[in-house]
Order: sequence, then C-alpha cells, then structure tokens
Amino acid sequence: EVQLVESGGGLVQPGGSLRISCAASGFTFMSYEMNWVRQAPGKGLEWISYISGGGETTYYADSVKGRFTVSRDNAKNSLFLEMKSLRADDTALYFCAKVEDNCLDVWGKGTTVTVSS
Amino acid sequence: DIQMTQSPSTLSASVGDRVTITCRASQSINSWLAWYQQKPGKAPKLLIYKASSLESGVPSRFRGSGSGTEFTLTISSLEPDDFAIYYCQQYDSLWTFGQGTKVEIK
Repeated sequence: EVQLVESGGGLVQPGGSLRISCAASGFTFMSYEMNWVRQAPGKGLEWISYISGGGETTYYADSVKGRFTVSRDNAKNSLFLEMKSLRADDTALYFCAKVEDNCLDVWGKGTTVTVSS
Repeated sequence: DIQMTQSPSTLSASVGDRVTITCRASQSINSWLAWYQQKPGKAPKLLIYKASSLESGVPSRFRGSGSGTEFTLTISSLEPDDFAIYYCQQYDSLWTFGQGTKVEIK
C-alpha cells in the first residue's frame, strides 16, 4: 500500500526552527517528485515546496522562500522540511504529497505545526 | 504567479441534486487543472486531473471540463458522501490552489 506518514510537528516559539519529516512506503520513492502543502486552521490549501526525485531541483512559494528548505534521503525513503524564522502565520497542518504527472495523487495525514509564545 | 478563483465559496444542495463548481485561472493554464475533495480532518483526495480525466476509483458522477482559464467540476447526482470541500489546483506553473468550495447539506 502506498503510504506517506508525516511527523515532527509541535509547538515552537516565533523565530524558532523545526524540522518535519515524511516517511514514504509502498512505492519507489526515488522515482517520484514530492511536494509539501500546508493548511492553516480553518483555511484552504497552500502549496509551499517541491523537490525532484533526485533532490537536485527545488521550488518554494514566496511565503516561505529563504526560510524553509526541502530535502530528501532516498536511501531512507524520507522527505524533510527544515523551517526557520517561524512566524505565527506558519501555524498549519503540513502535508507531504507524492507527485504523479504534476498532480498530487497520494497525501499523508499531516503533522501540525503551531508557532506561538 | 497564477491565481485561481473558485465560485461559489459555499453551495447548499440536497442529495440527488446536480452541482456545478467553477474555477477561473488568472491566465491560460491549458488543461493543467486538477480537482481535489477534502473532508473534515482528512487529507485531500485527487478526483480529476488534466481538467477532465477521472482518477482511478473516483465515481463517474464526478465530471470535469474546461480549458484555458475557465473550468467546472460537476457532480451529476449528489450523494451523502459528497458533502465536502472541493479545491481546484493549477499545475501549469508550479502549483496554486483555489480557495475552496464547501458543498453543504441544504
């Protein structure tokens, strides 16, 4: 079964850092591009980051550019999002999603990041 | 950046109704549009890709159409399981979601 499981979310102070992870199983992870999408409480979906299968190419939404870094460890079937200089408006449920023909065909259940003092 | 605008924001309907949601792109995205369904507390689910192609396992009552800047998602006969929030998403240039349309029980 194709599965994505996010972890590492939690409460962090404004200006702080956090690294969240996404463990993939059931498919050849290295062959697929991956995205991160977030959803603030009661709000819609916001795409925030992309990484190619080999990790050479990354893209970011303007809202996180320069603060967030996406990476992956294909040997461990894992995707990461390093978040720095966190702000209150980064508070959200963070989803990882597998990319198939540029669509997000498999999603994890998400991990919650709360930025608050 | 490409902006996506959905209408309406909320739609009240009854089981058996035909429902149509519209999505407009700020510039042409050809047919690079997907539709997702999200239920409370759950991850989004891909329904339609390339504007009109049905994802495997998705019921045929869901139909997508359009190209360029105007797209629609139609549910031919609403079922109880269809009450949810629907998002369009362009993937012509990176990815952008619409703000969502909540389909609620009338």
